[in-house]
Amino acid sequence: QVKLAESGGGVVQPGRSLRLSCAASGFTFGSYGMHWVRQAPGKGLEWVAIIWYDGSEKYYADSVKGRFTISRDNSKNTLYLQMNSLRVEDTAMYYCVITSGGYYGMDVWGHGTTVTVSS
Amino acid sequence: FMLTQPHSVSESPGKTVTISCTGNSGSIASNYVQWYQQRPGSAPTILIYEDIQRPSGVPDRFSGSIDSSSNSASLTISGLKTEDEADYYCQSYDGTSWVFGGGTKLTVL
Repeated sequence: QVKLAESGGGVVQPGRSLRLSCAASGFTFGSYGMHWVRQAPGKGLEWVAIIWYDGSEKYYADSVKGRFTISRDNSKNTLYLQMNSLRVEDTAMYYCVITSGGYYGMDVWGHGTTVTVSS
Repeated sequence: FMLTQPHSVSESPGKTVTISCTGNSGSIASNYVQWYQQRPGSAPTILIYEDIQRPSGVPDRFSGSIDSSSNSASLTISGLKTEDEADYYCQSYDGTSWVFGGGTKLTVL
């Protein structure tokens, strides 16, 4: 079955970097766009970034633009999120999500990995 | 653009509840709206896609609709069960930005 396994979360100081990974299995990873979505403790969902199935297009939320980079390695069935210049407000659960066929929605969600930015 | 949802709603088991999602600009009918359910401690799951479609496995007690006159989408849950107690989020996009509503906490009491 479809499985998305996020990893790489942890506790990091403000200003530092972290790279999240999402290992995909059970579907043809290279045929689907992928999102990162985050959820701060006790708060709602916030879209972070999207990457097209072939990496040709990427879009970011204003809150992370210029600091975060989404990428993928289709040969390894893995999605990444490089997070630089981390801020306290980046503290959240980060979910890896498969796009819908038309890229408008989010079909399947991973279980998430927790990032805590704190001094 | 933004999507606005009520913070919370409550209803009794067996009843019907409707959760609204109002767009602040443009026409909500211009782009598909999706709905997600998030139970406590779990990741979200998709409930409704393309405004009104239900993925396989989602009970027909859940339905979506669009009202262009009020620029809003709605999620209706009929025959409420205690297991429906969860947070519900609407979501749409404009081609380069994907947006969620603030979420609605449904209490079934």
